[in-house]
Amino acid sequence: GENVEQHPSTLSVQEGDSAVIKCTYSDSASNYFPWYKQELGKRPQLIIDIRSNVGEKKDQRIAVTLNKTAKHFSLHITETQPEDSAVYFCAAGTSNFGNEKLTFGTGTRLTIIP
Amino acid sequence: NAGVTQTPKFQVLKTGQSMTLQCAQDMNHEYMSWYRQDPGMGLRLIHYSVGAGITDQGEVPNGYNVSRSTTEDFPLRLLSAAPSQTSVYFCASSYAGTGYEQYFGPGTRLTVT
Repeated sequence: GENVEQHPSTLSVQEGDSAVIKCTYSDSASNYFPWYKQELGKRPQLIIDIRSNVGEKKDQRIAVTLNKTAKHFSLHITETQPEDSAVYFCAAGTSNFGNEKLTFGTGTRLTIIP
Repeated sequence: NAGVTQTPKFQVLKTGQSMTLQCAQDMNHEYMSWYRQDPGMGLRLIHYSVGAGITDQGEVPNGYNVSRSTTEDFPLRLLSAAPSQTSVYFCASSYAGTGYEQYFGPGTRLTVT
């Protein structure tokens, strides 16, 4: 099955600086890579996703890059703000009928230092 | 729309007891799934369903049963609770599978003593 590794497990950055979280996956059949943000005591919520036919996607201060050859993808947050403090999860999955499993990484706890 | 709802929010069980965690969605989503979240281990898939009458196992299915008799409901049954099942359980749904945004419920915090 799919295996997703996520690094680092914790990350502290000064407010205004950039944060980068990296994930690798093992199954070359995976074609969908979402990122979820989970604030303390809350449910995970999707912040951005990318499909395997795209190398990069950006939404305001958040961007995701995908390298299919190396099987890794990254989340980039620029101009970090205190409200960015949360746990971030990457995931990899296939959107093929008959194999509908989404595998999550172990999470990165991001702390923004004011 | 209420989105994805879960009951109860908190539950304490004794070892060997059984119970059902309820999950419902009102978005007419075909795909529903159950995850457990443990510290340092992320979200692990227990069972999933691609539509009414169809279920399949995820990464950690042992000790859990599911059924999907309607599009809206996807209950998770713990057959004989064990301390290793102490966790936070999230139900999620999406339009048509894992290639779409997963909408999570608020979670159920389960403690087995």
